[in-house]
Amino acid sequence: TQLLEQSPQFLSIQEGENLTVYCNSSSVFSSLQWYRQEPGEGPVLLVTVVTGGEVKKLKRLTFQFGDARKDSSLHITAAQPGDTGLYLCAGGVSVEGKSTFGDGTTLTVKP
Amino acid sequence: EAEVAQSPRYKITEKSQAVAFWCDPISGHATLYWYRQILGQGPELLVQFQDESVVDDSQLPKDRFSAERLKGVDSTLKIQPAELGDSAMYLCASSLLPANTGELFFGEGSRLTVL
Repeated sequence: TQLLEQSPQFLSIQEGENLTVYCNSSSVFSSLQWYRQEPGEGPVLLVTVVTGGEVKKLKRLTFQFGDARKDSSLHITAAQPGDTGLYLCAGGVSVEGKSTFGDGTTLTVKP
Repeated sequence: EAEVAQSPRYKITEKSQAVAFWCDPISGHATLYWYRQILGQGPELLVQFQDESVVDDSQLPKDRFSAERLKGVDSTLKIQPAELGDSAMYLCASSLLPANTGELFFGEGSRLTVL
């Protein structure tokens, strides 16, 4: 079973600050997704990374996939209260054909 | 924009009762998943369907849980009898491709509380 460890588990910051959250594993993934989940709702897909070393930007969010495709990071610039939520990473493995989720980072951005 | 539909959004039941959740995936998505998410944790896969066939149900507690997708479109997840530890969010997701290459699109979830 592939395990994804996300850190930190909780993060509380002020509006305007920058932050980085991490997703690490000892396993290689064929692709990795980042999702954002608000309380009482289902996760919403933010991005998919596939190639080792790949960097994708989505407005103030920057996603990076590690060269060895075992880890990923999400960097948010100038965080806003609307960024508050649970950030989940999920890794896919070609042989098993399914995704494994981490336990997420709960982000709170205070105005 | 196409969405995954789930019902009910909330369900409160007493232990030993039967519960059922329904999911209608995005049209054309052949792969359907049921996940369980306990508060403070990430989603855990219960069952994966490819069309009407079960691809993976290794984590489904088969003594009390059952899932079906008879016509390869919508799906039902049943729990009988419900136990206190079943209290969780039950999420349905669909994908155009198997999850190792494709993204998952989730419904809003069904929140179950077992008293």
